[in-house]
Amino acid sequence: DTAVSQTPKYLVTQMGNDKSIKCEQNLGHDTMYWYKQDSKKFLKIMFSYNNKELIINETVPNRFSPKSPDKAHLNLHINSLELGDSAVYFCASALQGASSYNEQFFGPGTRLTVL
Amino acid sequence: GEDVEQSLFLSVREGDSSVINCTYTDSSSTYLYWYKQEPGAGLQLLTYIFSNMDMKQDQRLTVLLNKKDKHLSLRIADTQTGDSAIYFCAEIPGGTSYGKLTFGQGTILTVHP
Repeated sequence: DTAVSQTPKYLVTQMGNDKSIKCEQNLGHDTMYWYKQDSKKFLKIMFSYNNKELIINETVPNRFSPKSPDKAHLNLHINSLELGDSAVYFCASALQGASSYNEQFFGPGTRLTVL
Repeated sequence: GEDVEQSLFLSVREGDSSVINCTYTDSSSTYLYWYKQEPGAGLQLLTYIFSNMDMKQDQRLTVLLNKKDKHLSLRIADTQTGDSAIYFCAEIPGGTSYGKLTFGQGTILTVHP
């Protein structure tokens, strides 16, 4: 019974390619997030959607485009991949108002390697 | 600012206590968090503390918050080899909504038998 799942788990691709990472949550949450973890383990938020609306959009290149077809899914499409995009990408979800402390549930991550 | 800083490495022997320290800059954060990341896995919320508390205890975990110095610590009593992981301090800066978590760099805890 996976709560937050991501596909693929590993993605190896050439520079210049376009790729997508998918995320799904079965927790009934209304808010989903994408985080990037670099090679030094530093984690930074990229995007967040609440009820399919973009609510957090950090300074990321416009080659990155999130899409939320419904509340349970948040996909990340990356155009013209660059070496610096190599990282682990984590999806997370939360239910606004469910608790005062806003616990986020993370997926297992997608390790992207750009050659 | 939204900087959260942690020491990068901590090594302890099994059975000892571990203390992981964190400093943050946004005094208006309502909650402060500790997340745990095991090798090859996603993050999991370990514990959190409300900003008007000084201390929170949860089984082997003790969180201390010094708001004046903007210092947060996590103490793990009787550390076990299964506690080896990366521990992230995090906050949601005041004035932000929808859980915009800001993380520290993470502390790699290594527990030796």
